[in-house]
Amino acid sequence: GAGVSQSPSNKVTEKGKDVELRCDPISGHTALYWYRQRLGQGLEFLIYFQGNSAPDKSGLPSDRFSAERTGESVSTLTIQRTQQEDSAVYLCASSGLGSGANVLTFGAGSRLTVL
Amino acid sequence: QKEVEQNSGPLSVPEGAIASLNCTYSDRGSQSFFWYRQYSGKSPELIMFIYSNGDKEDGRFTAQLNKASQYVSLLIRDSQPSDSATYLCAVNPAGGFKTIFGAGTRLFVKA
Repeated sequence: GAGVSQSPSNKVTEKGKDVELRCDPISGHTALYWYRQRLGQGLEFLIYFQGNSAPDKSGLPSDRFSAERTGESVSTLTIQRTQQEDSAVYLCASSGLGSGANVLTFGAGSRLTVL
Repeated sequence: QKEVEQNSGPLSVPEGAIASLNCTYSDRGSQSFFWYRQYSGKSPELIMFIYSNGDKEDGRFTAQLNKASQYVSLLIRDSQPSDSATYLCAVNPAGGFKTIFGAGTRLFVKA
């Protein structure tokens, strides 16, 4: 697609429920990133996928968080047994190859509210 | 020590002035440095990137990199109220493409 697409744009859930967030990167972009941004704070790195290489999961805050990506396509971020501190905007970004290889293009984000 | 540090601000400058935003990073082997702008309620968007020591200019924006001091800055000349936003410094640490962001500096440009 023309840009990075994320869904849902807003999600309200109850504490303890599982949620799935989806990211559709720019076509041809090999790298895909997930970040978390709590209100008024900076971007917290969660996970990075590059092509078919093993993902860098070093930013996932707990084993309740997981993410998958098939090849260079859609990625899903799953949060199990959600807690109130998981409330944040989850941003997905993708990047391609070339001189601007590490330039990230962000989606509009998925705002998660855990009640 | 945080990997990328920025003064959270807010930084307030009058319209037409130069805004100076600063960032330090901890990984001496870092190779790529970026400035993103984030308007309230929106996603970050790239302003410019810099790889080599020295200055890089793009319109009203100048990025400055000093690898010896592990310091990168962004100058905004002739600041406009529309420049009011949070400015995020981002770095690729050595050995990978994982992009680490600072907490951002809030800039207010007063008309």
